[in-house]
Amino acid sequence: NAGVTQTPKFQVLKTGQSMTLQCAQDMNHEYMSWYRQDPGMGLRLIHYSVGAGITDQGEVPNGYNVSRSTTEDFPLRLLSAAPSQTSVYFCASSWTSGRAETQYFGPGTRLLVL
Amino acid sequence: GIQVEQSPPDLILQEGANSTLRCNFSDSVNNLQWFHQNPWGQLINLFYIPSGTKQNGRLSATTVATERYSLLYISSSQTTDSGVYFCAPRVFTSGTYKYIFGTGTRLKVLA
Repeated sequence: NAGVTQTPKFQVLKTGQSMTLQCAQDMNHEYMSWYRQDPGMGLRLIHYSVGAGITDQGEVPNGYNVSRSTTEDFPLRLLSAAPSQTSVYFCASSWTSGRAETQYFGPGTRLLVL
Repeated sequence: GIQVEQSPPDLILQEGANSTLRCNFSDSVNNLQWFHQNPWGQLINLFYIPSGTKQNGRLSATTVATERYSLLYISSSQTTDSGVYFCAPRVFTSGTYKYIFGTGTRLKVLA
């Protein structure tokens, strides 16, 4: 049981480049989400999904796209990277309402946009 | 939207000391989690505590939802307790549930 996995661990991009951050979970969780953490701050919700085929925007969705074709995977796409997207990105998963909804976090991806 | 305030923002303790971290939130919530982010950046669940009190070893947490606050107690602190502690109340907004994170309490425990 690997929990929540994220790849890559580190990435450096140039302004304007695109990339996909991968997230996978093996706990059959319905709810998955992406957060970004900037220095000295808490986590801010980018996008979330309540099940395969269903996604929605969080607090800071601009510049990011997501899709959820399977229960296990929830990739985050940066379409045209900007220096303001330099951050640490965390993926999380949990059960949804009706169960104890402890969120489990992946190890994070550190992204630097030059 | 809901505002989440954590206090104190920074805390330095001598090993063995006790501490209380506070989380205030401005709106009704139906769930709240406490997390520890260790110095390597990993986020670890501590408590899922929508109301009442829970204990796990040297840590305990109390949430009083009607008064919109939660407390995290750390007793006999150890250097491995260092890191940032976040509370994250869950709110129902725009048709779904979302966790809103506070800005955290940064704890350093000195040997």
